[in-house]
Amino acid sequence: NAGVTQTPKFRVLKTGQSMTLLCAQDMNHEYMYWYRQDPGMGLRLIHYSVGEGTTAKGEVPDGYNVSRLKKQNFLLGLESAAPSQTSVYFCASNYHRLGHFPREQYFGPGTRLTVT
Amino acid sequence: GNSVTQMEGPVTLSEEAFLTINCTYTATGYPSLFWYVQYPGEGLQLLLKATKADDKGSNKGFEATYRKETTSFHLEKGSVQVSDSAVYFCALSMGGSEKLVFGKGTKLTVNP
Repeated sequence: NAGVTQTPKFRVLKTGQSMTLLCAQDMNHEYMYWYRQDPGMGLRLIHYSVGEGTTAKGEVPDGYNVSRLKKQNFLLGLESAAPSQTSVYFCASNYHRLGHFPREQYFGPGTRLTVT
Repeated sequence: GNSVTQMEGPVTLSEEAFLTINCTYTATGYPSLFWYVQYPGEGLQLLLKATKADDKGSNKGFEATYRKETTSFHLEKGSVQVSDSAVYFCALSMGGSEKLVFGKGTKLTVNP
């Protein structure tokens, strides 16, 4: 049981390049999330998904796209990277049961992205 | 909208000192409340949680009580250790999409 894994762990991009970050979870969780962490800002939600084939915008979605073609995977894409997207990106997932209190989210180890 | 405000850091303590990190929230409705911890170079992991008013979450000697009347969820530990050095995040989650809203984090350093 690997939990939540993220690929890659580190990446350096030049301005204008594109890339995809992969998040995978093996806990059969319905909900998945992408956050970015910046110094002094805490974690901010980029996009999220409440099930296979569904995605929604979070607090800071501009410049990013996502896809959830399989329940266990959640991809975050940067079509044209900008220096403002230099950050640490975290994926998370949780198990949802209708009518129950929100449960804890399980986080991946993070991807450190630098855009020059 | 929903928000979390937590004590600005950094906080530096000596080993065995008492720790309090303040956290207050604003929410429409009744959120679940969480404390997450991030050790250097790692992702976030759940420290403790509370789902309704007057619940007390506890783990590894840390405690926090969900206070609806003061909209607070302060983190406490009676005697900190060097191994507690980390960044601590207070967060809330509502029903529906269960998105987490985080505070900005408080960095704790414990010296021997």
